[in-house]
Amino acid sequence: GAGVSQSPRYKVAKRGQDVALRCDPISGHVSLFWYQQALGQGPEFLTYFQNEAQLDKSGLPSDRFFAERPEGSVSTLKIQRTQQEDSAVYLCASSPAGPDTQYFGPGTRLTVL
Amino acid sequence: QKEVEQDPGPLSVPEGAIVSLNCTYSNSAFQYFMWYRQYSRKGPELLMYTYSSGNKEDGRFTAQVDKSSKYISLFIRDSQPSDSATYLCAMRAQDTNAGKSTFGDGTTLTVKP
Repeated sequence: GAGVSQSPRYKVAKRGQDVALRCDPISGHVSLFWYQQALGQGPEFLTYFQNEAQLDKSGLPSDRFFAERPEGSVSTLKIQRTQQEDSAVYLCASSPAGPDTQYFGPGTRLTVL
Repeated sequence: QKEVEQDPGPLSVPEGAIVSLNCTYSNSAFQYFMWYRQYSRKGPELLMYTYSSGNKEDGRFTAQVDKSSKYISLFIRDSQPSDSATYLCAMRAQDTNAGKSTFGDGTTLTVKP
């Protein structure tokens, strides 16, 4: 079956632009996670949804970062006024229940010039 | 100092060798321990998941957790060139709404034919 998909796969933004990254989880998966992975580092947790409820947003680095999952399926991560330090791969993962069996998407590589 | 430390490698072994990958951690609240494999430009893929201390075996992979030493290991037997990837450890505390997993920065493994 289809796995987690993310779009776009690559995004180049000028500093100060707003970007929106989309995640389509595996159908029926309750939990959804966003991570930021800088080059040569492990993924850093950003936020966690259970259905449409955002249960944990402790990893969002600033108020420029905002995530939503309004119908408990597709999720969007929005970054306002992008900065060069936002350049990274943004990974989305989904899970059928809690956080223990996460299936990752291929990521969106964001480059801020 | 990071909560989770992982030797970055790179690690290069001949085909058929036994590989040992390790992580240490400082947060005694971690109860759930995971190992992921990440191929270049792909999302992480869950290999092993263990709860608390002990061993778990799955095919050529064995995961060990020693909570008293705050040390976890992944052993790969009869390594294959297809095992060449970056291996990430991850761990999570037990919390009702906690979605946050903390990752190591990964060890890059190359298995030479």
